Parts: sequence; C-alpha cells; structure tokens
Amino acid sequence: DAGITQSPRHKVTETGTPVTLRCHQTENHRYMYWYRQDPGHGLRLIHYSYGVKDTDKGEVSDGYSVSRSKTEDFLLTLESATSSQTSVYFCAISDPDRGWNSPLHFGNGTRLTVT
Amino acid sequence: AQKVTQAQTEISVVEKEDVTLDCVYETRDTTYYLFWYKQPPSGELVFLIRRNSFDEQNEISGRYSWNFQKSTSSFNFTITASQVVDSAVYFCALSESRDGDMRFGAGTRLTVKP
Repeated sequence: DAGITQSPRHKVTETGTPVTLRCHQTENHRYMYWYRQDPGHGLRLIHYSYGVKDTDKGEVSDGYSVSRSKTEDFLLTLESATSSQTSVYFCAISDPDRGWNSPLHFGNGTRLTVT
Repeated sequence: AQKVTQAQTEISVVEKEDVTLDCVYETRDTTYYLFWYKQPPSGELVFLIRRNSFDEQNEISGRYSWNFQKSTSSFNFTITASQVVDSAVYFCALSESRDGDMRFGAGTRLTVKP
C-alpha cells in the first residue's frame, strides 16, 4: 500500500472556525491531491499540487486553501468552516514520472463534521 | 468539459450472479484515460484498472472484466459469479490532462447478498 497518512481521521468543529487537514506521504511522489466525497457526487477535486509550492485549483476550490512546503506534506485549510464543508476528505498521490496519468493512490480519509 | 455518468445508484444481487456496472463518459479530447476504483465498506479507495483511449481491447482479471467501447463512450465493468466480498461502492473516473485532474462518477453501490 502507498504510504499516505491523513490526520486527523475524524474531526468535529464549529461553523466559522479554521480547520487544517494534513496529508503526509512517504513515496516521494510529485503530485498530491485533495478530494472531497459526498453522497451523489462521487469524489470532487478541491486542489492539487504538482510540486513544492506549486498548487492549482480543482473543481470545488471555493472556501479552501492549500500549501505544500515539502514534497511529503500537503495541507488543506478551511479558513472559516461552513456546514456545507461537512464531508469526507481524501488525499491522493500519483507519480506522473511513471507514466502519464498514473493511477491515484488514496489515504484513508478524514471525516469532517461542521456543526 | 469532462464528465462521467454512473446511472446505477445502487444494485443488489444474490451471490454467484453476474453483474455489470455501467459507466458513460464525455470528453472532447482524443487522448484520455479511464479508471475504476473500489471503495469497500471499510472506506478506503482501491485502484482496479486504467485504460487509455487508444486501447479498446477488453480486459479480464479473474472474475472482473472491463468492456471499453469508444463508439458509445462507455467503459463498463462486469463481475462474474459475484461474491459477498464484492460488496462496495465502485467509481468510474476519467482523466484528460497530464496533471491528473481526474473526474469521478457518482458511484454505484453494489450489494451482494449470500
């Protein structure tokens, strides 16, 4: 299994508070992603990174920011959490150097509840 | 824009039945990749298969088979002689670009009853 660790695994927070989710990988893969999973929507891309300090927006980026200061860590921040951000968040990695559009390998997810 | 449709929200079968999960995609690119992922009740996401747009050859892996048809923009997944352990949510996904921006379908929840 790909070495991807997400923390925390579960979090309950109140509306309006900032929240940071962490993804740590030990595979030295260049690409990292944050997805959210919601019923009826599958997985939707929030932000991704193609290298240290290189990030870009995905399909549902509003209300989220990311940072990547090291290859192994990719942080997702909700500056002011809202109830609509209650979801399961998945981090994923891929190594494009092994072939274009190589498969994503996912972490175990973080269940976030905003009350 | 790329789009993936999995019209079957939930499917329930009895063990040993064959079942096909449908996936229809939309893309303007001539070069793209299609994927299937499995999410068992434990919640992790497991990669099953990747297929590029230039390879329409069907693939079989044990009880799993995939039928890719560009003419109908479909990439269907069949499980032969289903087992209870096949119970999971299955996602089809499409990637057009080199940065791996992958679009997922809404998923099909498969329940295999003993």
